[in-house]
Amino acid sequence: DVVLTQSPLSLPVTVGQPASISCRSSQSLVFSDGNTYLNWFQQRPGQSPRRLIYKVSNRDSGVPDRFSGSGSATDFTLKISRVEAEDVGVYYCMQGTHWPKTFGQGTKVEIK
Amino acid sequence: EVQLVESGGGVVQPGESLTLSCAASGFTFTTYWMGWVRQAPEKGLEWVANINHDGSEQYYVDSVRGRFTISRDNTRSSLYLQMNSLRAEDTALYYCARRDASGADAGYWGQGTLVTVSS
Repeated sequence: DVVLTQSPLSLPVTVGQPASISCRSSQSLVFSDGNTYLNWFQQRPGQSPRRLIYKVSNRDSGVPDRFSGSGSATDFTLKISRVEAEDVGVYYCMQGTHWPKTFGQGTKVEIK
Repeated sequence: EVQLVESGGGVVQPGESLTLSCAASGFTFTTYWMGWVRQAPEKGLEWVANINHDGSEQYYVDSVRGRFTISRDNTRSSLYLQMNSLRAEDTALYYCARRDASGADAGYWGQGTLVTVSS
């Protein structure tokens, strides 16, 4: 199975400051159709996961533009340009290129 | 508005069975791949099973293959997960999720239904 390794696992941030989460894959996530199926999800306390970014860098509808995704093949990053209080939660990367689909361990973002 | 509403969770003993349902609305159900994702208490996310548009293809994570069956009824816009021989480690919140037309997974999630396996 593809292993996704996120870092850091805990990320205390100050409101208004940037934050960055890394997701490294044990295999290339480039699919035979040329797409890279790497998504990012936010899970606020007590809520269902919400997708923020799909296929590496595409922001979902309604997601603030302070969230951005980048990367290629095995190395991916989620960036929050200026953290707001509502961004508290756990963030997961997920690959849909290989079966079984797998998630990273999650990164807990909290406000300092 | 896309809506996914799971139901059918509950408390069962090890070895028993349970069937989860996911009622979909707000989109043309027959067009989309669907899946089940679970989250054990205070743990991360695990993709359990996937099914294609017409139900002719199903995929399972190794830990549930042979015990769980994913299916769909496109006439009822519903997704199902038949779970047999349940184990304590199957205890989790089970979400249904919809794939996009672009092929990207889990653009929409339900609120989840809780399955507890305990003697």
